[in-house]
Amino acid sequence: DTAVSQTPKYLVTQMGNDKSIKCEQNLGHDTMYWYKQDSKKFLKIMFSYNNKELIINETVPNRFSPKSPDKAHLNLHINSLELGDSAVYFCASRGTGTNTEAFFGQGTRLTVV
Amino acid sequence: SQELEQSPQSLIVQEGKNLTINCTSSKTLYGLYWYKQKYGEGLIFLMMLQKGGEEKSHEKITAKLDEKKQQSSLHITASQPSHAGIYLCGAPTNAGGTSYGKLTFGQGTILTVHP
Repeated sequence: DTAVSQTPKYLVTQMGNDKSIKCEQNLGHDTMYWYKQDSKKFLKIMFSYNNKELIINETVPNRFSPKSPDKAHLNLHINSLELGDSAVYFCASRGTGTNTEAFFGQGTRLTVV
Repeated sequence: SQELEQSPQSLIVQEGKNLTINCTSSKTLYGLYWYKQKYGEGLIFLMMLQKGGEEKSHEKITAKLDEKKQQSSLHITASQPSHAGIYLCGAPTNAGGTSYGKLTFGQGTILTVHP
């Protein structure tokens, strides 16, 4: 069983479109994240949710809207896609307790053309 | 804000050689994680270090956290092509590493191992 699963794995779309990426974790974790990895492989946090509540929003454009229907799911919706949004997006989850490791999904490679 | 700097940014070695990747923090580390990423895949957890001077090993990979808790190194002995990938260090940004705190990552080190 995959611990953190994202869909789709690849997404190619035109500028201006709206798209969603879905993420689900079956680890029973309370906290989920979205990270963006740019072309230079730099991994930066976008959002953090704890028990369906937004905890961290790292100055991400408001075209990006995360939605957590329950603590096992954290979806990312992107409006009016721009060329600069092309990147790999990773979902992750983390359990309670100090210094617990984060489990990552396989990533969604988004290409905006 | 905390920054993690990894060196080198990329590394090409011949199979069988030893290598070291460093991760330096601008602030005291409350914990340090090492992850490995293969192309097209997610991040795989390797090791976590918490205490100054701590050292952990798994197979041919050894990670250390210095006494001052501002630098960590990842050492691979007798490298193999299966070790190739991107190595990332990450750290929680607050004391106690609360579970909903973010992990800040270094920029990654791309390792290539030639057979």
